[in-house]
Parts: sequence; C-alpha cells; structure tokens
Amino acid sequence: GAVVSQHPSWVICKSGTSVKIECRSLDFQATTMFWYRQFPKQSLMLMATSNEGSKATYEQGVEKDKFLINHASLTLSTLTVTSAHPEDSSFYICSARRTGLGYGYTFGSGTRLTVV
Amino acid sequence: DAKTTQPNSMESNEEEPVHLPCNHSTISGTDYIHWYRQLPSQGPEYVIHGLTSNVNNRMASLAIAEDRKSSTLILHRATLRDAAVYYCILRRGGNEKLTFGTGTRLTIIP
Repeated sequence: GAVVSQHPSWVICKSGTSVKIECRSLDFQATTMFWYRQFPKQSLMLMATSNEGSKATYEQGVEKDKFLINHASLTLSTLTVTSAHPEDSSFYICSARRTGLGYGYTFGSGTRLTVV
Repeated sequence: DAKTTQPNSMESNEEEPVHLPCNHSTISGTDYIHWYRQLPSQGPEYVIHGLTSNVNNRMASLAIAEDRKSSTLILHRATLRDAAVYYCILRRGGNEKLTFGTGTRLTIIP
C-alpha cells in the first residue's frame, strides 16, 4: 500500500505561537506533497504544493510567510503555522502520490488545529 | 481545470448497490477521473481512478461514458461504513494537483 502519516492529529495552541505539522510517506518516496485546509462543512482547499529540495508553490491567496513549508527529504514535509490566530483554526491535511499504475493520492489523517 | 458537477446528497439502503453520478462536460483528453471519499474528521481516502475505460477494484467500479463527459461510481453493496462525502475530481495529465469540489454526501439507511 501507500501510507501517509500525519502528526499531530490535534493541537491546541495560544494565539501568537507557532505550530508545526509533520507529514510522512511511510512506505514510498514522495518528491511532491500537498497541503490542504478544510473548514467545517466545507470542502478541501489546496494551500500549497511541497517540493523536495526546493521552494513550495503556494496557491493564490495563501500567505507563504505565515504557512511555512519545508520538504527536506523524500519522505517528510512539514507545515508550520506561524503566529497563529483563531482564524487559522482548521483541519489541515497533507497528501502524496505514489507513482505507478493504479495508485491514486494518499492522504494523511489530518490535524485539527485550534488556536485560543 | 475542468469542473465536475455532483449532486449534493444521496441516500441508499444498506446492502444495495449505489450509483454516484458525476458530470464533467468540459473534460479534456488528458484528464484523469479520480474518486475519493471522506469520512467525518478524517483525511480523504482514494477510491478509484480512470482515464477512458471502465475500472474495477476491491472497493468500487468506475463507469465512464463513451464521450467521457460523465462517469458513475458504483458501490456494489453498500454498508454503513460507506457513508461519507464522495468527491469526483479531474486531474490533468502532467499536473499533480487535485482540486476538490463540494462532493456528494452519501447516507446509508440501515
């Protein structure tokens, strides 16, 4: 199979602090990973594409200085929400695709961020 | 990216087949048709994908219209665990991004 592990599954932080979310591909290498955000009762919104060894590509309207992405290895991408505020509270989800016939995209289990 | 249209919600009885429709009238020749589902408070789960021919796997079947302007995800025998939001997504060949629409919320009636 193709497994993506995301950690932590939930986090509560104080306003103004930073939070790091990890996304690991456990049994395959991923040169590209994706970060999504999902607000309650809404669909997933793509935030950025994480590229191993190079800068992430952000979607329009996503602040790159606020949502720092690092993809330092073929199995790990991290998303850091800097100076978090209550409006950043959301469900963050990462995904990666194992190349080859028959494979779709595998998603992490998500991280519920609550900023108080 | 080409857009997909799905019903907001559907209901089906347990142990019966479910046919989830998806319209994608502006699909291009290099667009792959992907289906994912999401249970509450979880990340999406891959269901199936195809390009032109019908596809079967252990989870479901994907029936693609001859003109490719629509497709149907078929769950052969629904269980309560199949209750989820199902997303039909087009991914252009060479483009790695998946863009989610609003999906279909499937309710399974015991």
